[in-house]
Amino acid sequence: DGGITQSPKYLFRKEGQNVTLSCEQNLNHDAMYWYRQDPGQGLRLIYYSQIVNDFQKGDIAEGYSVSREKKESFPLTVTSAQKNPTAFYLCASSSGTAGYTFGSGTRLTVV
Amino acid sequence: KQEVTQIPAALSVPEGENLVLNCSFTDSAIYNLQWFRQDPGKGLTSLLLIQSSQREQTSGRLNASLDKSSGRSTLYIAASQPGDSATYLCAVRQVNTGKLIFGQGTTLQVKP
Repeated sequence: DGGITQSPKYLFRKEGQNVTLSCEQNLNHDAMYWYRQDPGQGLRLIYYSQIVNDFQKGDIAEGYSVSREKKESFPLTVTSAQKNPTAFYLCASSSGTAGYTFGSGTRLTVV
Repeated sequence: KQEVTQIPAALSVPEGENLVLNCSFTDSAIYNLQWFRQDPGKGLTSLLLIQSSQREQTSGRLNASLDKSSGRSTLYIAASQPGDSATYLCAVRQVNTGKLIFGQGTTLQVKP
């Protein structure tokens, strides 16, 4: 079945550590997105990529980095510069004016 | 700047009721509007997608309408069931940026 796979489901980060969240899709979608979800704040766009080897900052890109070397993959790195990384992270993809498809999410906690 | 508002923020109804969730947006220059369902701790599941040229979409007990000129959409749930309990999110896709802008959601509880 086509879909988006996010891994891991749960991730724990120590202070000063960089961690990478994985997002893979087999939908042949051109565009991919990363959102952050916090209680009471809704979903906020971190980064998005409309084609391979190109990506743009969203509304809250500080402290995050991405790459888009393959159409199927859009990993997100949460760097030590992100001071409040505890949140639920959602990856999505879309093509043309079709709807978005979301993954099941990764919950990141700072320990 | 596009703003999406969902009313009410929370709703509790007895099983079997028909109910309406509301979504409004400030900029009518949209490609489409999408309704999602989110269960606690889970990702988003797409329920209905309405393109800007369409007025409504239906799937089973769900019906979503779109009035682009007034900046409004409604999600109608017929004969609600306890399994419908979840948070429902409305999102519009911007023409100028292609980005999806979300509302804050309506948390629905259907009591047996």
